[in-house]
Amino acid sequence: AQRVTQPEKLLSVFKGAPVELKCNYSYSGSPELFWYVQYSRQRLQLLLRHISRESIKGFTADLNKGETSFHLKKPFAQEEDSAMYYCAPGSYNTDKLIFGTGTRLQVFP
Amino acid sequence: NAGVTQTPKFRVLKTGQSMTLLCAQDMNHEYMYWYRQDPGMGLRLIHYSVGEGTTAKGEVPDGYNVSRLKKQNFLLGLESAAPSQTSVYFCASSPGGLSYEQYFGPGTRLTVT
Repeated sequence: AQRVTQPEKLLSVFKGAPVELKCNYSYSGSPELFWYVQYSRQRLQLLLRHISRESIKGFTADLNKGETSFHLKKPFAQEEDSAMYYCAPGSYNTDKLIFGTGTRLQVFP
Repeated sequence: NAGVTQTPKFRVLKTGQSMTLLCAQDMNHEYMYWYRQDPGMGLRLIHYSVGEGTTAKGEVPDGYNVSRLKKQNFLLGLESAAPSQTSVYFCASSPGGLSYEQYFGPGTRLTVT
């Protein structure tokens, strides 16, 4: 069965601290991996996707096939990073995404 | 461009009542999705459509029906609402399948008493 786990419901850090939001997945075949973000009073939106291998707003995510993880990282958190973050792997077998339960990131000044 | 819009924003139903949620997109996207979001559960796919006139079941389809008569609209129906359907419902659209970004609507908060 395809599964995704975000073990932390809440992650609190101070501004300038490094951030790592964890995501582990269980998929057959080669998954497509995304991180979506929802800022307060805004819609859920794409933050980054694995296939693009880009850094968005200072965030990066590396696929570790051995550990089946796709953790989201940022070296220096900013207050405006406070939001709900969802890991969303998908399989070409099903052509659909599965969303994790989300991690709320709070960045304190 | 309005993007993805959802109607209504809020609704309270009594058990057994029916209603239809409307999702509209003006981006000419082929794929459209209906999700529900419950505390501690993340987003779960209810139904989706890969093009006008097509629909398919997602992860939690029971108690819901959908229609995609026009490419820009995707309707989600509850024939006989139950308290277990109290949730926030999100619609999304994308130009294609898995590898494409999904664009989300603002959500509809539904309470069934």
